[in-house]
Amino acid sequence: AQSVTQPDIHITVSEGASLELRCNYSYGATPYLFWYVQSPGQGLQLLLKYFSGDTLVQGIKGFEAEFKRSQSSFNLRKPSVHWSDAAEYFCAVDEYGNKLVFGAGTILRVKS
Amino acid sequence: DAGITQSPRYKITETGRQVTLMCHQTWSHSYMFWYRQDLGHGLRLIYYSAAADITDKGEVPDGYVVSRSKTENFPLTLESATRSQTSVYFCASRAGTGETDTQYFGPGTRLTVL
Repeated sequence: AQSVTQPDIHITVSEGASLELRCNYSYGATPYLFWYVQSPGQGLQLLLKYFSGDTLVQGIKGFEAEFKRSQSSFNLRKPSVHWSDAAEYFCAVDEYGNKLVFGAGTILRVKS
Repeated sequence: DAGITQSPRYKITETGRQVTLMCHQTWSHSYMFWYRQDLGHGLRLIYYSAAADITDKGEVPDGYVVSRSKTENFPLTLESATRSQTSVYFCASRAGTGETDTQYFGPGTRLTVL
């Protein structure tokens, strides 16, 4: 079965600093990979997704992620964090083209 | 308004009672999903449906029942609620399985079982 690991439960960064959230997956074939964000009390919003092609994908809100097959990773990055980015972030892999398997999530705190 | 809605948004019930959580989407998406979100586990798939009258188990189906008589509705029933089913439940829908098909999530239902 596929699995997704987000090694960091909590991350705290200063406003304006760069951000990298880690995601590792286990899957035999080329996966479909996703990053979702969840603000407190809200549902999940898609930030970006990777299906094929260019391994660096751009998303909304200034986020990007890079697919590295050799490391089975799909890390999320942002060059300059804003206070409004404080939320919980979930990495997910698409299983068999119709189901998502999620990581446990990383809670981002932004300090001013 | 178009989108995916869930009701109720908050529910408190007692152990042993039957509870039904409702999910409605206005896009006519083929696929619909139910997840539960628990601290430290992320979201785990309970059941999903590829079309009306087609449902299948996910990772954690025990204690839950689903039905899908209409494309737009996908209710989730806890036949005899237990404390371990206290969680936040998310419904989602997706048009298909292609690269352009994104899974969209509802706002969630927070269920407390006393």
